[in-house]
Amino acid sequence: QSALTQPASVSGSPGQSITISCTGTSSDVGGYNYVSWYQQHPGKAPKLMIFDVNKRPSGVSNRFSGSKSGNTASLTISGLQAEDEADYYCSSYTSSTTLAVFGTGTKVTVL
Amino acid sequence: EVQLVQSGAEVKKPGESLKISCKGSGYSFASYWIGWVRQMPGKGLEWMAIIYPGDSDTKYSPSFQGQVTISADKSISTAYLQWSSLKASDTAMYYCARMPGFCSGGSCYRFDYWGQGTLVTVPS
Repeated sequence: QSALTQPASVSGSPGQSITISCTGTSSDVGGYNYVSWYQQHPGKAPKLMIFDVNKRPSGVSNRFSGSKSGNTASLTISGLQAEDEADYYCSSYTSSTTLAVFGTGTKVTVL
Repeated sequence: EVQLVQSGAEVKKPGESLKISCKGSGYSFASYWIGWVRQMPGKGLEWMAIIYPGDSDTKYSPSFQGQVTISADKSISTAYLQWSSLKASDTAMYYCARMPGFCSGGSCYRFDYWGQGTLVTVPS
């Protein structure tokens, strides 16, 4: 099972919106509404930001939103802030293996 | 408050065995799937294995099947990941993480709480 494909890096200025894509196949992203997104700051454990494509866990800012079209899921961060600078990983349930699969990861830089 | 506290960093030689731990608190440990995620230096996250402490049911990613063993002792709310013969390529940060309880099917394949990570170093 190959990792889901994400852009290596995305950048934006404070206050702007950015979108991170996560491309899979019909066996994972495209076949199920079970995509999650995680934020990881350097030296820290990942944090769940979005689950089931577009749901936010309690306590996560509504500046983070998720969507999906076909085999590609997306995470949008609106009103970009310095604290959003981190690595972001998508993850999807997959019918190809017994567990789920992560994306390749995207480094978000706030200019 | 849900907490997962992992054992400390390890430096081992190739061929040695190792067992790292993850102690859960603040919730009913036996009733939630718990798993391990690998992050090699400068690389991404990888699902490794998960276990249901209530009955020790396990699931492994094909990449890790036969390479590691996941286990749990519900009496002390602790999950484990072990290697029988370490390799230099096992050098990585290992995170334990809990899957949610109130979910169904594929929606459960996410981690809502994470441990702080255990760094395993196996010099070549």
